[in-house]
Amino acid sequence: KQEVTQIPAALSVPEGENLVLNCSFTDSAIYNLQWFRQDPGKGLTSLLLIQSSQREQTSGRLNASLDKSSGRSTLYIAASQPGDSATYLCAPMNQAGTALIFGKGTTLSVSS
Amino acid sequence: KAGVTQTPRYLIKTRGQQVTLSCSPISGHRSVSWYQQTPGQGLQFLFEYFSETQRNKGNFPGRFSGRQFSNSRSEMNVSTLELGDSALYLCASSSRAIQRGTEAFFGQGTRLTVV
Repeated sequence: KQEVTQIPAALSVPEGENLVLNCSFTDSAIYNLQWFRQDPGKGLTSLLLIQSSQREQTSGRLNASLDKSSGRSTLYIAASQPGDSATYLCAPMNQAGTALIFGKGTTLSVSS
Repeated sequence: KAGVTQTPRYLIKTRGQQVTLSCSPISGHRSVSWYQQTPGQGLQFLFEYFSETQRNKGNFPGRFSGRQFSNSRSEMNVSTLELGDSALYLCASSSRAIQRGTEAFFGQGTRLTVV
């Protein structure tokens, strides 16, 4: 059974800092892994989808890496801004699975 | 291109009542999945519909049911509501069955409060 852990659970940084969010998963047999952002009380916004054959995926100030063999993914946010404040969720899709399995997320607060 | 639309956005119901939530996926997408999000349990998978057929179901009681129409719109029904059903219900749309590893796009959710 896939288990997803996100560390840290919460993070507070001043504006402009570069930061790394971590995601680990127990079953490495995955199709892909998605990173999402969730603002309070809102739905999920897809940030990046990284396929199991890829090592990295980039979108603007965001960069996601995937090390399938070790069951880890990181989301790198460059030059953080107050608008980046949200909860970030990772979700791998198992090859033998039937649904996205989510971690509990990392809640990021960026102060100006 | 319009995103995933969920209606209504907010609902308040009384214990014992039933409720129906609606999800319209992105045009052309045939898979709709439903998730329940609570502070304690996080995001949990309810079920997935693809081409009007339920493909997979999570570990929820039979009070939770759903269906999908020929235009891919999906409804989720919860009968005999309990206080513990209070949650944010999210639906996700994808072009292929979610287990094929395709990207999922979520709606804004329906906030259900049971009193």
